[in-house]
Amino acid sequence: QAVVTQEPSLTVSPGGTVTLTCGSSTGTVTGRHFPSWLQQKPGQAPRTVIYDTNKKHSWTPARFSGSLLGDKAALTLSGAQPEDEADYYCLLSYDVTRRVFGGGTRLTVL
Amino acid sequence: QVQLVESGGGVVQPGGSLRLSCAASGFPFSTYHMHWVRQTPGTGLEWVAFIRDNGKTQYYADSVRGRFTLSRDNSRNTLYLQMNSLRNDDTAVYYCAQDIMWGFENWGRGTLVTVSS
Repeated sequence: QAVVTQEPSLTVSPGGTVTLTCGSSTGTVTGRHFPSWLQQKPGQAPRTVIYDTNKKHSWTPARFSGSLLGDKAALTLSGAQPEDEADYYCLLSYDVTRRVFGGGTRLTVL
Repeated sequence: QVQLVESGGGVVQPGGSLRLSCAASGFPFSTYHMHWVRQTPGTGLEWVAFIRDNGKTQYYADSVRGRFTLSRDNSRNTLYLQMNSLRNDDTAVYYCAQDIMWGFENWGRGTLVTVSS
């Protein structure tokens, strides 16, 4: 079973930039893993902010961007806002029956 | 707007069964593949199952294959998850979600399933 790894926690200053990463125990993360990023605030359902590596939904603020960085997928937040404080989960799809979430990164805006 | 509303959660004994429903509105349900995803405080998020838009193909996580069955009724805009032989580690909040490019578009608010004697 593949393991998807994320930083357990990160802190960013308001207006600052932070990059969250998503690695795979099987090796390099590529676009063929269709990396997705989900945001979850306390007591709420997850909400997808990035899918297919770098695609945004209509509700995704422009300050969020997705990419591949080295051997990992990455979510960059440029100009962090207090409302961005949340847990962020990465999802990698290995095949139709293996879609694995990372353990999540708790992002603090402070 | 898009709405996904899960229902059917509750408390069930180990070995029991439960059927979850997900009522969809605000989008052409019959043209979307759909997923179930579950979440527990201990193990985090886990993808559970996927069904194609026409209902003819389903895929399951290893942890539920053979026990859970995913189906849909496109005439009723409803997704179903029949869960049999439930175990303690099936305890979770279950979410339905629209598929988009191997990921998820909109999510429901979830329904809590508790497996306990």
